Parts: sequence; C-alpha cells; structure tokens
Amino acid sequence: AQTVTQSQPEMSVQEAETVTLSCTYDTSESDYYLFWYKQPPSRQMILVIRQEAYKQQNATENRFSVNFQKAAKSFSLKISDSQLGDAAMYFCAYRSAGFGSRLTFGEGTQLTVNP
Amino acid sequence: DTGVSQDPRHKITKRGQNVTFRCDPISEHNRLYWYRQTLGQGPEFLTYFQNEAQLEKSRLLSDRFSAERPKGSFSTLEIQRTEQGDSAMYLCASSLLPTWQTTGETQYFGPGTRLLVL
Repeated sequence: AQTVTQSQPEMSVQEAETVTLSCTYDTSESDYYLFWYKQPPSRQMILVIRQEAYKQQNATENRFSVNFQKAAKSFSLKISDSQLGDAAMYFCAYRSAGFGSRLTFGEGTQLTVNP
Repeated sequence: DTGVSQDPRHKITKRGQNVTFRCDPISEHNRLYWYRQTLGQGPEFLTYFQNEAQLEKSRLLSDRFSAERPKGSFSTLEIQRTEQGDSAMYLCASSLLPTWQTTGETQYFGPGTRLLVL
C-alpha cells in the first residue's frame, strides 16, 4: 500500500517570503499522480497543483511550484511571495495510475502566514 | 457550475442513532467519492462510484456504513447505529473522467459534513 508522509506538522512564513513544504511517499508503482491540496479553516479542500509522475518537468501554477524528485520519492511545494490568504492546512496526496481511484493523503502541514 | 455541495453541514446525534448525508456533485461529473477526515488528520478514502456503480470500498467502510448513488447523480452515505468513533468530517468529491482516460482526473471536494456522536 502507498503511504504519504508530511514531516512538518506546522510551518510559518512572513508575508511576501518563500516557504517550502515537504512531502515524501512510498510506492512500488512507476506511474502515478501527486497533488497538493489546500484546506483553509472551515472551508473546503482546493486543488493547488498536480504532477504526473511520467513528466520530468516540475509543475507550476502562478506562485506555486513543486520539486518532484521521482527517485527520492519526494514532492515538495514551494510558495513564493506568500500572502495572508495562503494560510491553511496543506495536504500532499498520491494517486495510482492504475484502476484504483482513491487519493492517499499525508497528515498535513499547517501553514501560518505572518504579516 | 456551483461546485460540490453537501447536506447537512453539521450533524449532532446520539450514539445508536442512524444518520444520512447527501452529496450533490458538480453537474455531469461521472465519478463521486466519499472520504472521512478526523481532527488533525488527512482524509481517508471510504468508497467511490462511477455513474451509479460502486466500484471500490475501503476496509474502513464497515457493515454499518452504506453508500448509494441511485441515478448516477447525487449520493447518500448512511451510518447505522452510530458510535462515538464515527465522529469526523465526511467529505465528498467528484470528478469527470473522460471516456478516453482510465484515471488521473482531478477530484473536486465539497465543504464536508461534520458529524458529532454523543
């Protein structure tokens, strides 16, 4: 079974600074998808960014980018120019490219943005 | 496109009672998922439907849990004889899987139903 580990329960960043959230995963599969979701307090989970394992190029979405290291099974999220609205719980998630469609989530990282 | 909606948003019940939650997916999304999230943890997969067919169930889904998606649109999740350990946020997500694809599509989440069993 696949597992996802987020080793940073909490992180903080100053507004306008850059922060990196870590995620590692364990799988024996070669083809899969990785996601970062954001869950603001009392609000629904929103997709931040996704990465297909067969793509070598790291995904980027505006201020959000990932560092995908397939051999190391590492998938970190970098948030540039942090904004107060970025404060949330961030979850890393894995999804097999095979038949099963479930997302396997990590424990989450609570991000605080200080003004 | 109004997003995934869930009803109710909050539910308080007494141990032993039955509860039912509803999820309305994004229009025309053919896949629908249920997850459970306990405080301070990431969501855990419960089950998913493709159209009206329930294709996978987690071992977390005990006999007291049942999910349906009768017409391939909205879904219900029922918990019978609730226990205090059932207290959690129940999340619904939906996705549109193109006919030429088998997986990998993005799942869009609803706001969740928070259940408290006293």
